[in-house]
Amino acid sequence: GQQLNQSPQSMFIQEGEDVSMNCTSSSIFNTWLWYKQDPGEGPVLLIALYKAGELTSNGRLTAQFGITRKDSFLNISASIPSDVGIYFCAGSSNAGGTSYGKLTFGQGTILTVHP
Amino acid sequence: DTGVSQDPRHKITKRGQNVTFRCDPISEHNRLYWYRQTLGQGPEFLTYFQNEAQLEKSRLLSDRFSAERPKGSFSTLEIQRTEQGDSAMYLCASSRVGDEQFFGPGTRLTVL
Repeated sequence: GQQLNQSPQSMFIQEGEDVSMNCTSSSIFNTWLWYKQDPGEGPVLLIALYKAGELTSNGRLTAQFGITRKDSFLNISASIPSDVGIYFCAGSSNAGGTSYGKLTFGQGTILTVHP
Repeated sequence: DTGVSQDPRHKITKRGQNVTFRCDPISEHNRLYWYRQTLGQGPEFLTYFQNEAQLEKSRLLSDRFSAERPKGSFSTLEIQRTEQGDSAMYLCASSRVGDEQFFGPGTRLTVL
């Protein structure tokens, strides 16, 4: 089945530093999404990407949909303590113009920001 | 609040008991999804509905699991004869067709 490899598994950074994480897949996705999850809560959508090559920003967050449709990355600039959490990439495949709906998630990147 | 809601937030049960969880999606969303998340892992897809029709079920959804969305609004997920391996966070998400999914806060299940 489809698998997403997300790296790094964890990051320890100083406040103010930039962060980069990425996701690669063994197969093609038509949609890439990035979520953030705090302990005991559900994932919160950060950015959605729908076109190969697309670069999208949401405040200090920037994400790109890889040209091959098999990868995506997320950058966080000028990190702050509230960026702490687990970041997940997720992808979905469409067929015949109808979304299958199912999301496949990466294993997550645990981000720790030291003040 | 118009987000996805789930009830209960926490459930502790003894092995062999049945449990039922409820999910209320965002009101204009016709798709509803169930995922399971174990510690240190990303969510794993279980099943999804478009309106009241259940369109896909994962192999993770054993015979002891059943999900319903009888009127195309809220959904329930029932686990019969719970096992310790069922302990996990059960997440519900909703979306419009072809649109991004928004998650609820989850139900944390502990099976003793």
